[in-house]
Amino acid sequence: GAGVSQSPSNKVTEKGKDVELRCDPISGHTALYWYRQSLGQGLEFLIYFQGNSAPDKSGLPSDRFSAERTGGSVSTLTIQRTQQEDSAVYLCASSLAGTLYNEQFFGPGTRLTVL
Amino acid sequence: GQNIDQPTEMTATEGAIVQINCTYQTSGFNGLFWYQQHAGEAPTFLSYNVLDGLEEKGRFSSFLSRSKGYSYLLLKELQMKDSASYLCAVKTGANNLFFGTGTRLTVIP
Repeated sequence: GAGVSQSPSNKVTEKGKDVELRCDPISGHTALYWYRQSLGQGLEFLIYFQGNSAPDKSGLPSDRFSAERTGGSVSTLTIQRTQQEDSAVYLCASSLAGTLYNEQFFGPGTRLTVL
Repeated sequence: GQNIDQPTEMTATEGAIVQINCTYQTSGFNGLFWYQQHAGEAPTFLSYNVLDGLEEKGRFSSFLSRSKGYSYLLLKELQMKDSASYLCAVKTGANNLFFGTGTRLTVIP
């Protein structure tokens, strides 16, 4: 596609429910990243994929968070038993990995609200 | 630990020049990025510095001093559309970007 797309754009859920967020990266981009941006905060790194594998999961805040990527393309971020502190904008980015300067292109984000 | 410091907010006048500073202390350094983020939108890439010195790109320039852990973004001939948050980010490893909290710039007439 022309750019990184994410769905849904907005998600409101009740505390304790599971949610699944989707990211479609730019075609041909092998690297994919998930970030979280809370109100008034910087972007917080969650996880990085190279192809379908995740060599860096260091940013996942708890075991309620998981992510997968299939076919070297689409990725889903799953949050189980959501808590109010999970409310944030979840941003996905993709890049052509393998070079020192691999500019990350961001999607529009999914705004998650946990009631 | 990792730390990036930027001013929280800045205000400047249309047509003027503004400099947004960023200082960092990180466990690794593979380059520094500046991103622009308009309210409610995704961040978009502005610049990348990995060597010391000034990189100029149109109205925007970015400077890096690795020995001082310091960068700045310089915006010239400010326009109203430049009102946005400007995010400083350090590439700490092969791929990971560590972001600062951003500087919210307001351009006034």
